[in-house]
Amino acid sequence: EVQLEESGGGLVQPGGSLRLSCTASGFNFSRYSMNWVRQAPGKGLEWLSYINNSSSTIYYADSVKGRFTISRDNAKNSLHLQMNSLSPGDTGVYYCARDWGIIGYWGQGALVTVSS
Amino acid sequence: DILLTQTPLSTPVTLGQPASISCRSSHSLVHSDGNTYLSWLQQRPGQPPRLLIYKISKRFSGVPDRFSGSGAGTDFTLKISRVEAEDVGIYYCMQAKQFPLSFGQGTKLEIK
Repeated sequence: EVQLEESGGGLVQPGGSLRLSCTASGFNFSRYSMNWVRQAPGKGLEWLSYINNSSSTIYYADSVKGRFTISRDNAKNSLHLQMNSLSPGDTGVYYCARDWGIIGYWGQGALVTVSS
Repeated sequence: DILLTQTPLSTPVTLGQPASISCRSSHSLVHSDGNTYLSWLQQRPGQPPRLLIYKISKRFSGVPDRFSGSGAGTDFTLKISRVEAEDVGIYYCMQAKQFPLSFGQGTKLEIK
């Protein structure tokens, strides 16, 4: 069974940093690209970042470019999102999701709250 | 960037009746590989998104056949043949033709 589990969410002050992780199981992680998608409270879905299976291709949404860094460790079946210079507008639930053309598997999400 | 516009934004439906949601793209979603990467996702209250339909009309694993997708180019439709109580939630179309990936605003389906 494919499973994705996010961790690392929490409360952080404006200007602070946080690192999210997504642990994958039930499939060959090293063969799949991955994404981060977030959802602000009561709002829709916003794609944030993509990394291919070998980490050779990475994309970011303009809203996070220069502040967020996506990475992965295929040996540990894990995906990461380093988030710096956080602002209240970054508050929301952050999901990791597998693949790009057919995003069929999503984690349960990690809540990030940016507030003083 | 590709903009996806969904209509309606809210749709009250009687149990057992059909429902239809439209998604219009600002650009053609036909990829250079010949596929059209338009998907439909369902998000039930308090749950992560769930893939229903991919490549316009293909049902994902475990999705009931009352859900169907159609369309081409820039205009797409999700249809539910007979709405059930468990179908309450928000439905999003999503394009993966190019980065940045993008989603429609969402359509809230509620029971009348």
